[in-house]
Amino acid sequence: GPKVLQIPSHQIIDMGQMVTLNCDPVSNHLYFYWYKQILGQQMEFLVNFYNGKVMEKSKLFKDQFSVERPDGSYFTLKIQPTALEDSAVYFCASSLGGRGDERLFFGHGTKLSVL
Amino acid sequence: QQKVQQSPESLIVPEGAMTSLNCTFSDSASQYFAWYRQHSGKAPKALMSIFSNGEKEEGRFTIHLNKASLHFSLHIRDSQPSDSALYLCAVRGSGTYQRFGTGTKLQVVP
Repeated sequence: GPKVLQIPSHQIIDMGQMVTLNCDPVSNHLYFYWYKQILGQQMEFLVNFYNGKVMEKSKLFKDQFSVERPDGSYFTLKIQPTALEDSAVYFCASSLGGRGDERLFFGHGTKLSVL
Repeated sequence: QQKVQQSPESLIVPEGAMTSLNCTFSDSASQYFAWYRQHSGKAPKALMSIFSNGEKEEGRFTIHLNKASLHFSLHIRDSQPSDSALYLCAVRGSGTYQRFGTGTKLQVVP
């Protein structure tokens, strides 16, 4: 089936550094999402993106976070600067959207460890 | 803020049994209801979804929605060891994103 690719699978960085998480969504999908999951907890919505713009963001999407998809390439989540509490698994998802098909297709996640 | 909760937290069933998983939500204006399955170390994968009250069956899986009760469920007929996974329910309220429950860990034993 359709696949979402996330790069890297694991990233270790020092607190205060910048990190960019990359996502290659399903090619004909129009909506893109980032979710955050801390070990043993619920997967929490961060932000979604459509037509070059953020649609909605949650309280977890701090000012240090930004998303973009320049020229239809990777959908990226940038955190600058990182904090210890940003350690989590970040899942990217994409969907075709519309009432016809709202299924989310997820990547395997990027495990971010902030030291 | 919408609350999405799942029960039970974990479940062990024998092969061939019927499995029933539950999800409750708090926003009566919710519009989309889905189940995802996540095998260990893999990406969550959409299983089934429903928009309006009632039931939908696909193979061994049935989803049932009762909006008045703020409840929907997933039933797995003839459960198989390969069904062992973490099951996540998800609800989209009146906004643009799905909110997930904490998951039910299912183990099907031969």
